[in-house]
Amino acid sequence: DADVTQTPRNRITKTGKRIMLECSQTKGHDRMYWYRQDPGLGLRLIYYSFDVKDINKGEISDGYSVSRQAQAKFSLSLESAIPNQTALYFCATSGGDRGRGAFFGQGTRLTVV
Amino acid sequence: QKEVEQDPGPLSVPEGAIVSLNCTYSNSAFQYFMWYRQYSRKGPELLMYTYSSGNKEDGRFTAQVDKSSKYISLFIRDSQPSDSATYLCAMSRGSGYSTLTFGKGTMLLVSP
Repeated sequence: DADVTQTPRNRITKTGKRIMLECSQTKGHDRMYWYRQDPGLGLRLIYYSFDVKDINKGEISDGYSVSRQAQAKFSLSLESAIPNQTALYFCATSGGDRGRGAFFGQGTRLTVV
Repeated sequence: QKEVEQDPGPLSVPEGAIVSLNCTYSNSAFQYFMWYRQYSRKGPELLMYTYSSGNKEDGRFTAQVDKSSKYISLFIRDSQPSDSATYLCAMSRGSGYSTLTFGKGTMLLVSP
């Protein structure tokens, strides 16, 4: 089983709809992150959480919100989806050894039509 | 100036070649350096990580950091078609609440 699991893996939604992407992890890490990846733009940080009671905005948080329901669960919501939010979304986790970087899920391909 | 610069490629090499992938950065506070490999439509996979300057070797892969030049490299020896992927560099300050800063990735194509 994957250490970082994202659901759904693929989603097509309509403009204006609210959508939630979910992430769960079994690595026991306290830190969790949401990134989006676009061709030519690389990985951009949306939100991150260093523990259950901590939520921080990243580089591109407008139009998104998050919820850290438990140490192992971190969900990303698009309040009112728009076509330029079409992208590949990744959840990632990291632990106490910060030098070891972050571990990524397999991604959610989101298309907003 | 972007914090981390990485040539997007693609870099095309024949099987067996030595590959050199590079990133430059501007923030001298970065202390931890990583390389990720990402296959098409998959999540980035941590390949190697190093702290401060120096070299680290793992099988066919060698990561090199030169903090004085703000330059990091990943060398792949005896490259294989299965190495064809996008390689992303990443780095962090390593302080308690720092996050990773990524390069945009270099696409590598290894032909048989």
